[in-house]
Amino acid sequence: AQTVTQSQPEMSVQEAETVTLSCTYDTSESDYYLFWYKQPPSRQMILVIRQEAYKQQNATENRFSVNFQKAAKSFSLKISDSQLGDAAMYFCAYRSAVTGNQFYFGTGTSLTVIP
Amino acid sequence: DGGITQSPKYLFRKEGQNVTLSCEQNLNHDAMYWYRQDPGQGLRLIYYSQIVNDFQKGDIAEGYSVSREKKESFPLTVTSAQKNPTAFYLCASGTRGKGANVLTFGAGSRLTVL
Repeated sequence: AQTVTQSQPEMSVQEAETVTLSCTYDTSESDYYLFWYKQPPSRQMILVIRQEAYKQQNATENRFSVNFQKAAKSFSLKISDSQLGDAAMYFCAYRSAVTGNQFYFGTGTSLTVIP
Repeated sequence: DGGITQSPKYLFRKEGQNVTLSCEQNLNHDAMYWYRQDPGQGLRLIYYSQIVNDFQKGDIAEGYSVSREKKESFPLTVTSAQKNPTAFYLCASGTRGKGANVLTFGAGSRLTVL
């Protein structure tokens, strides 16, 4: 099974500042997909952003962007202009393009936004 | 609106009892999944199903059972054999096959064993 590692259990950021959440993964495959999910206090999981491994361009969704380093097997999430509503658990996830059956999740990073 | 409905939201069970968590989706998704979430452990896959009448064990299937008699429904039974069932359970669905297909999640069910 693929392994997804989030080495930062907790992070904090001042409102309006920028924060980067780290994620690394272990795979021998060359084609796969990566995702960031957000879980606010309501516990409803919401997709933040996704990246196809064959695309060199980093994905961007409004204030959210990723730094995808395929050779380093790294997939970090950058949140710009942090808002109070960004406070949540963030999970990194991996899905194979070969089998495509399972999603593998990291252990999550709890983000606190300080007013 | 399309989505996934999990019920009940909160459930209490006495030791030795089986309990079934409901998951229904109207997204016309082929694939459905059950995850368990514990503090500090992320999401761990219990079972998943790609098509009706077929399902596969995930990483922590022991003490759990599922059925997939209809495309829309994927109930999870937590049996008395599950040694530590108190947890938050998430159901998800997605399109089948290869592609950057995302998972859509339900709101979750919190099970507490008394």
